[in-house]
Amino acid sequence: DAKTTQPPSMDCAEGRAANLPCNHSTISGNEYVYWYRQIHSQGPQYIIHGLKNNETNEMASLIITEDRKSSTLILPHATLRDTAVYYCIVRVGTGTASKLTFGTGTRLQVTL
Amino acid sequence: DVKVTQSSRYLVKRTGEKVFLECVQDMDHENMFWYRQDPGLGLRLIYFSYDVKMKEKGDIPEGYSVSREKKERFSLILESASTNQTSMYLCASSSPIPHEQYFGPGTRLTVT
Repeated sequence: DAKTTQPPSMDCAEGRAANLPCNHSTISGNEYVYWYRQIHSQGPQYIIHGLKNNETNEMASLIITEDRKSSTLILPHATLRDTAVYYCIVRVGTGTASKLTFGTGTRLQVTL
Repeated sequence: DVKVTQSSRYLVKRTGEKVFLECVQDMDHENMFWYRQDPGLGLRLIYFSYDVKMKEKGDIPEGYSVSREKKERFSLILESASTNQTSMYLCASSSPIPHEQYFGPGTRLTVT
C-alpha cells in the first residue's frame, strides 16, 4: 500500500493561498491521490482527486508532480472556515472493493 | 442533498454490553464503511461492505462485527464492549468507484 507523509500542522493568513504538501513516493501507476478535510466535530468531506494531471474544482486545485511522488493541495484564498485537518490519501486496490486509508493529516489553521 | 445518518451522536455504554451502531444512507450507494477516529491516530478502517450481505475486514476489525441486510443500512456491532473501544465512530458510503465518500456526523461512544 502506498503511504503518504504530510506535515502535522500549518498556518495560513486569511485571504492568502494555502499550499498543503503531501509525499507519496511509493505510489503505483494506477493509484489516485485524494484529498479530504475534516472540520472540527464533523465527518470528513471530499475535496478533490487526481491521477496524473493537475485538477481544479470550485474548492481547490491539486498539483501532482510529473513523477507522481508528491502533490500539493492549493486553497487559493483561504478563509477562517477552511481551518480543518486535511488528509492526503492514496487509493488502495481496484474495482468495487477499493478503500481509502486515512493518515493523521495536516492541521491547517487559518488566522486573521 | 445526499445524506448519511448515524443513529446517535453520543452514546455511553458499560463494559461487556453489546453495542449496535446504525448507519443509513439515502444515495443508493453500493459501498459502505465504518471507521474509528482517535487522537493522534487519524481515521482507521474497521470494516467495509460493497454489497448487501458482503463484508470485508479493514485495518482494525478485532472486537467488531458488521451486518448489511439492506443496501441502505450498515450496522457496526461491538459484541462485548471494552474501554479501549471508546472512540468516535464514523460511517461513510460511496458509489462503486469511490472517488468520493460521504460521511455521517459520527457517534462518540464512551465505554465505562
